[in-house]
Amino acid sequence: GDSVTQMEGPVTLSEEAFLTINCTYTATGYPSLFWYVQYPGEGLQLLLKATKADDKGSNKGFEATYRKETTSFHLEKGSVQVSDSAVYFCALRDTGNQFYFGTGTSLTVIP
Amino acid sequence: DTGVSQNPRHKITKRGQNVTFRCDPISEHNRLYWYRQTLGQGPEFLTYFQNEAQLEKSRLLSDRFSAERPKGSFSTLEIQRTEQGDSAMYLCASSIRLAASDTQYFGPGTRLTVL
Repeated sequence: GDSVTQMEGPVTLSEEAFLTINCTYTATGYPSLFWYVQYPGEGLQLLLKATKADDKGSNKGFEATYRKETTSFHLEKGSVQVSDSAVYFCALRDTGNQFYFGTGTSLTVIP
Repeated sequence: DTGVSQNPRHKITKRGQNVTFRCDPISEHNRLYWYRQTLGQGPEFLTYFQNEAQLEKSRLLSDRFSAERPKGSFSTLEIQRTEQGDSAMYLCASSIRLAASDTQYFGPGTRLTVL
């Protein structure tokens, strides 16, 4: 069945460091891909998305490119801030409109 | 628009009791989803509605779970004869169907503790 595998955490970085959180997926057909973020004490929020191969989603300095050849959707940010500390979830929506989430990666950014 | 709301926010119950949760989606959103999330895991899909029709149901959803969306607006999720393994955060999300896009907006969740 469809699934998402994302890099295990926790990840701890210093402010202004480069961030990569790996995400790979298994799916039949052509899924849409998403990154969601959950800040401490808050609900899940959509961070960015890509609906077809080679699309790049971007928001708040974060980027992810839908790579069909490597079945990946890695999240990157060039310079993280303390306010980026959160749990990040990679997800896919299959052609039947079911969503599959990864287990989440906790990021802590220290000043 | 105040976003997706869920009630109650917390529920503590004894094993064997029935519980019901409510989700009010963003108005005009015709799709509504239920998920379960346990500590350290991502949300697990349970079921989803388009308007009042329940279109998908996960194999994870046992017979003790039932969901309704009678008028295509709010939805309820009922768990009968609760078990300790049902303890989790139950999340609701809504979206509006648009071509090539289906952005879900999540509610704050209902945390269920079964004693």
